[in-house]
Parts: sequence; C-alpha cells; structure tokens
Amino acid sequence: SQQGEEDPQALSIQEGENATMNCSYKTSINNLQWYRQNSGRGLVHLILIRSNEREKHSGRLRVTLDTSKKSSSLLITASRAADTASYFCATGPGTGNQFYFGTGTSLTVIP
Amino acid sequence: DSGVTQTPKHLITATGQRVTLRCSPRSGDLSVYWYQQSLDQGLQFLIQYYNGEERAKGNILERFSAQQFPDLHSELNLSSLELGDSALYFCASREGGGTGELFFGEGSRLTVL
Repeated sequence: SQQGEEDPQALSIQEGENATMNCSYKTSINNLQWYRQNSGRGLVHLILIRSNEREKHSGRLRVTLDTSKKSSSLLITASRAADTASYFCATGPGTGNQFYFGTGTSLTVIP
Repeated sequence: DSGVTQTPKHLITATGQRVTLRCSPRSGDLSVYWYQQSLDQGLQFLIQYYNGEERAKGNILERFSAQQFPDLHSELNLSSLELGDSALYFCASREGGGTGELFFGEGSRLTVL
C-alpha cells in the first residue's frame, strides 16, 4: 500500500498544550497535505506543503517536511478543546491521480 | 461549507440490496473522488472521475460502480450489499490538474443490516 502512517494513533493533551503528530509516507511526492476530520464529518483541508519547502505556518499550525526521511509533522500550538478531531496526512496526486491518506491521529484536547 | 453536496446523509438497508449515493461537486470542479471510511480500514480510495471519464481506480469492489454525468455530478452504486459494506462514503472534488486540495462532502453513512 502507498498509504502513509500517522503517529501516534491517538493523543490526549490538556488545553493550552502543544500537539505534535507525525506522518511517514512511502513514495516521492510533489506536496503533502494535512486534513482534519471532526467525528463523523467530512475532511477539511488545513495546509499544504510543497516538496521544496521545509516548514510552513498557518495560524496555530506549523508543518515540517523532511523528504529525505519521507516524513512530515504537524504541530498545533496552544491547543483548544475545539481542536479535538482526527488529523490525516495525504500525498498526491500521484500515480493514477490518486491521493493517499494516512491512517490518522485521533487528538483529544481536554478542557 | 465545502461546496460539495452528498445525498443521502444516512441510509439503512438490508443485505443483498442496492443503493445509489449521489455527489454534487463544487461549482467548476471537474474531478470527483470517492472514498470509503470504515472503522478498521481508514480512508480507502475507490474511484476518480475527471470531466465524465474514469481516471483512477482504487480498491473498488466489482459490486460497486460509479459514473460522472455531463453536469459533473457523480453517483456511486453499491449492489448486493453485505454487512461489511457498512461505512461512511465520502465524495471529494477538486479543480482538475495541479496540486490543489480536495474538498470533501459530509459523507453518506450506510448501514447494512
């Protein structure tokens, strides 16, 4: 499978703390994207980082990309209860126009 | 609101039956992707259409089929349903080529009893 994997599978933190999620993938990429999914809802795009970028910021989100290690991390700073959701990394479009999603990290932020 | 509309939101049916899930992409988006999300399988890519033509096929069962119509809406047909087909089915759209993001609908939750 060309799917990526997120690590950890589940993460529970206190409100105000930072949350870090990691993603590893298997193939060469043009870009990597992070998505968020509230329970039972559709995925929402958070941020895209291109293969020639090493770090990108968007509000409280910070994404890093290490193409030599085929890995990325998503940092959410000063977490809020409303950040409770599952977070997925995705690579693509790759061969056959597919987007490959990781297995997701379930984040719980305790108020 | 992503601009992608999926109907129905919930569907309960029996084994052996056939259902059709519908997706209207964002205005102007030519590509439509279908994904299946179940508890133990994560997000599985099923099939992609671009401007009416099938472009990519993933782990789609032979009992499943899809099409994209001239008005760009898409339908996913699931037949001879089994208990294991119970899942959330998502449609996503994007403009077309390039590196654009996917815009997801809210999904259709299928329960097969």
